[in-house]
Amino acid sequence: GAGVSQTPSNKVTEKGKYVELRCDPISGHTALYWYRQSLGQGPEFLIYFQGTGAADDSGLPNDRFFAVRPEGSVSTLKIQRTERGDSAVYLCASSFQPNTEAFFGQGTRLTVV
Amino acid sequence: QKEVEQDPGPLSVPEGAIVSLNCTYSNSAFQYFMWYRQYSRKGPELLMYTYSSGNKEDGRFTAQVDKSSKYISLFIRDSQPSDSATYLCAIGSDTGRRALTFGSGTRLQVQP
Repeated sequence: GAGVSQTPSNKVTEKGKYVELRCDPISGHTALYWYRQSLGQGPEFLIYFQGTGAADDSGLPNDRFFAVRPEGSVSTLKIQRTERGDSAVYLCASSFQPNTEAFFGQGTRLTVV
Repeated sequence: QKEVEQDPGPLSVPEGAIVSLNCTYSNSAFQYFMWYRQYSRKGPELLMYTYSSGNKEDGRFTAQVDKSSKYISLFIRDSQPSDSATYLCAIGSDTGRRALTFGSGTRLQVQP
């Protein structure tokens, strides 16, 4: 597809479980971002990749959160020992270069029960 | 104080009205300014991208940036019910964090 693809679109998991969220960016985009959006709020930055490396992970809330982008394309956000407070929409965006137009996927709605 | 402030609304206008949406920001290092539209349960959709102060027009949408006042605006002319959505401003910088900082969004309702 031409846009940013995120899977799954919805994920319900039990407290304490491990989850992986996948992002497939627009082909050729070197910059990839993960954001988290709670109801009624704007997206909050989690982590930014330039190529394969995490250029800025300062937004990750704690060490239960981790993300990889091993080949500089698809990225996976991993959350260990999920908590109810992790429930949110996780958004992925990509751009050709940092601070050029960033395009978002539809998000993964994570619900921790 | 948040880095980017945006009135959450809701803002309700009749169809055909001119809509003005605004954000203020605190960090003068911000250089890139974007407006996104987000429909319920969808991802943000990029509407406008600007780099410098001044105006940029695209169809019914005009983005305005005043760096001296740290104030950005999005104007929507001839608003339509299909414009009903949440509008997010997003701001970026070449220094420090290379990711966008978002406002909290303004919910717009255009009444037919």
